Amino acid sequence: GQNIDQPTEMTATEGAIVQINCTYQTSGFNGLFWYQQHAGEAPTFLSYNVLDGLEEKGRFSSFLSRSKGYSYLLLKELQMKDSASYLCARGGDSSYKLIFGSGTRLLVRP
Amino acid sequence: NAGVMQNPRHLVRRRGQEARLRCSPMKGHSHVYWYRQLPEEGLKFMVYLQKENIIDESGMPKERFSAEFPKEGPSILRIQQVVRGDSAAYFCASSSTTGATPYEQYFGPGTRLTVT
Repeated sequence: GQNIDQPTEMTATEGAIVQINCTYQTSGFNGLFWYQQHAGEAPTFLSYNVLDGLEEKGRFSSFLSRSKGYSYLLLKELQMKDSASYLCARGGDSSYKLIFGSGTRLLVRP
Repeated sequence: NAGVMQNPRHLVRRRGQEARLRCSPMKGHSHVYWYRQLPEEGLKFMVYLQKENIIDESGMPKERFSAEFPKEGPSILRIQQVVRGDSAAYFCASSSTTGATPYEQYFGPGTRLTVT
């Protein structure tokens, strides 16, 4: 199977830290991607993990555990502009074929 | 360096008409992907093309949908005899095999198709 599960919605406060979890079926795994999508706009690439561990990129970090089929996106020092949908996607049997979850809508409140 | 271009941004068609969606990849990219996003759902892979070749069309509906990426010009996603269920946002993405991230895909702004 290729199910990807992530929470539908999350709310957090400006300046805080939020962690968005993603679980996926591990068969045929070929990398884990996170994209940000503002309403009505194109998804933009945030991160790619293919090995276990934490990748840090500014305020955003992404973690992967291949054995557990688990990833999370960590957003620090939240800003209002971080309100968006965050899409977890895995590379399928070929890494080009991205399989997306339904996305997590994050609302950042003042 | 212009990003991925898609046009039109919004397209309204009556049931039974044809819809043509165009995508120009980023400069230097020779791989194009089409995805469909239904309201409140994730993006679903449709087709992967390289110049003049369809590499993987496993996500394309068997009927009415076709895609091409000619040697010259943009990639075209064509939907014949549209039905209301075709109403969705259609995103195109492109990639290069020389990027730091294998097959890192850059998305266009999408075409929002409404079938009335």
